[in-house]
Amino acid sequence: EVQLVQSGAEVKKPGESLKISCKGSGYSFTSYWIGWVRQMPGKGLEWMGIIYPGDSDTRYSPSFQGQVTISADKSISTAYLQWSSLKASDTAMYYCARLVGIGWFDPWGQGTLVTVSS
Amino acid sequence: DIVMTQSPDSLAVSLGERATINCKSSQSVLYSSNNKNYLAWYQQKPGQPPKLLIYWASTRESGVPDRFSGSGSGTDFTLTISSLQAEDVAVYYCQQYYSTPPFTFGPGTKVDIK
Repeated sequence: EVQLVQSGAEVKKPGESLKISCKGSGYSFTSYWIGWVRQMPGKGLEWMGIIYPGDSDTRYSPSFQGQVTISADKSISTAYLQWSSLKASDTAMYYCARLVGIGWFDPWGQGTLVTVSS
Repeated sequence: DIVMTQSPDSLAVSLGERATINCKSSQSVLYSSNNKNYLAWYQQKPGQPPKLLIYWASTRESGVPDRFSGSGSGTDFTLTISSLQAEDVAVYYCQQYYSTPPFTFGPGTKVDIK
């Protein structure tokens, strides 16, 4: 079974750093792009960026370029999303998802809730 | 970037009745060389991650009930639930993959029981 399992919920203060993870299993992790999607409370889905774990080729949405860093460690089949200095406005649920075919996402991880509050 | 819009924002349908959700792209997502529409649909139930329902605008993902169907071409698309069941209460999103990155999603349509 293809699965993406994300790290647990985080509560952080503004200005702190954070790295969340997404571990793939049940398929060749290095052969599929992994995407990250933000969902702010009560809102829709926003695509943040994608990474190809095979060679770490990474693309960012202009809205998130410079705000986050996407990386991957293919030796442990894990992709990451990190912030160097969190803001309250980063409070959201973050999903990873495997990019299939030309461009649809399946499956999705269970989500990581990030809460940033002083 | 291609902008996706959906209508209505929400709808309430009686059990067993038809639900229709519309999605419109700011430019065509039909690739002329293969005659395929680069559009997917997802379902997000409360407290759950999104789930892929349909890709290529009308190809149902394996395991998705056949009461879900996708149609349309170019810039106008429709997701139809032919006979609404209680477990279909969710928010539904369309997503284009014609011009990427970025991959853009519609704002979502909430489906409830009347």
